[in-house]
Amino acid sequence: SQQGEEDPQALSIQEGENATMNCSYKTSINNLQWYRQNSGRGLVHLILIRSNEREKHSGRLRVTLDTSKKSSSLLITASRAADTASYFCATAKGAQKLVFGQGTRLTINP
Amino acid sequence: EPEVTQTPSHQVTQMGQEVILRCVPISNHLYFYWYRQILGQKVEFLVSFYNNEISEKSEIFDDQFSVERPDGSNFTLKIRSTKLEDSAMYFCASKGLRGPNTGELFFGEGSRLTVL
Repeated sequence: SQQGEEDPQALSIQEGENATMNCSYKTSINNLQWYRQNSGRGLVHLILIRSNEREKHSGRLRVTLDTSKKSSSLLITASRAADTASYFCATAKGAQKLVFGQGTRLTINP
Repeated sequence: EPEVTQTPSHQVTQMGQEVILRCVPISNHLYFYWYRQILGQKVEFLVSFYNNEISEKSEIFDDQFSVERPDGSNFTLKIRSTKLEDSAMYFCASKGLRGPNTGELFFGEGSRLTVL
């Protein structure tokens, strides 16, 4: 299985702090993606990093990818209460399906 | 902004009944997917569909499940005889071929299925 697995399963921090979530996977990949899911809602794509990239930024998001360790991290800087959600990494091999990890439930306390 | 729409948002059915979940993917997308998420658990791949046929399916997608793209816009998931364990949120997603984030999936808001 190529499944990504997130760590930690749950994270609670104060507003303004940085949040870091990690993801590990098992097989070679074409790209790794991070998605966000608000409670009871659909998944929203945040950022995609290709296997030949090491770091990518998008606003307050920073993603790193280490293919030698088969791991990725998502950093959210200067967190806000609205960042409270579940965050999933997903890996893609080939043109077809994404395989999602278990997710990290992030709670930002005001 | 184009979006994936799903209907119904919530369906309650009796065990053994047939259910059809409907999705309208983004109009110029070519790949279509169904995923499911049992409450509080991970998002699980069910099936992918491209060029009017199933391109990949998971072991969850057994003979009770089928997908169809009947009219070039709708993409449906049918469960022939529902079981209690089919209770979950079902997400439709689609993907295009071009753009800076080729590979990004666009998800609908989901259809919650409750089997009693």
